[in-house]
Amino acid sequence: EVQLLESGGGLIQPGGSLRLSCVASGFTFSGYAMSWVRQAPGRGLEWVSTMTDNGRSTYYADSVKGRFTISRDNSENTLSLQMNSLRAEDTATYYCAKASSGSRPYYFDCWGQGTLVTVSS
Amino acid sequence: ETVLTQSPGTLSLSPGERATLTCRASQSLSSKYLAWYQQKPGQAPRLLIYGASSRATGVPDRFSGSGSGTDFTLTISRLEPEDFALYYCHQYGASPRTFGQGTKVEIK
Repeated sequence: EVQLLESGGGLIQPGGSLRLSCVASGFTFSGYAMSWVRQAPGRGLEWVSTMTDNGRSTYYADSVKGRFTISRDNSENTLSLQMNSLRAEDTATYYCAKASSGSRPYYFDCWGQGTLVTVSS
Repeated sequence: ETVLTQSPGTLSLSPGERATLTCRASQSLSSKYLAWYQQKPGQAPRLLIYGASSRATGVPDRFSGSGSGTDFTLTISRLEPEDFALYYCHQYGASPRTFGQGTKVEIK
């Protein structure tokens, strides 16, 4: 059974940094692209970032480009998101999502339960 | 950016009725790269449909997807109590990938 377990969320002041992690199990992690998708309270889904299966390519939404960095450790089956210069509008539940394949085009076929990030003073 | 517009915003129906949800793209989607997700309160999204019309593993056959180009539909043939939820469409063929704003299917 595919499982994705996020951690690292919490309350952070504007301008601060936070690192999210996602531990994967139940599938060959190194064979699939992985993404972060967020959902602000009461709002819809917004794609944030993707890293390809081998880690060679990364993609970011314009809203986080230059502030967030995605990474992965295929030996530890872990996906991470380093979030710097956080803003109030980054407040959201962040989901780790497994891609349907290693490269584009792919949809998200499995999601973690999410971790809540609240940016507030 | 490809904007996805879902309609209606809310669908009020009774169990046993048929639900028809629409997703319209601002530009044509190549090769039907359109997925549908279901989300219940406090839960993560769940994949229902990919490739516009292919059901994901374990999804009941009362769920079906259709469409091409700019117009796509998710149909729930007979609503079960567990189907009342939020539904999102998602295009994954153009960069950046985008989601619709969602349709809430509520009990009438």
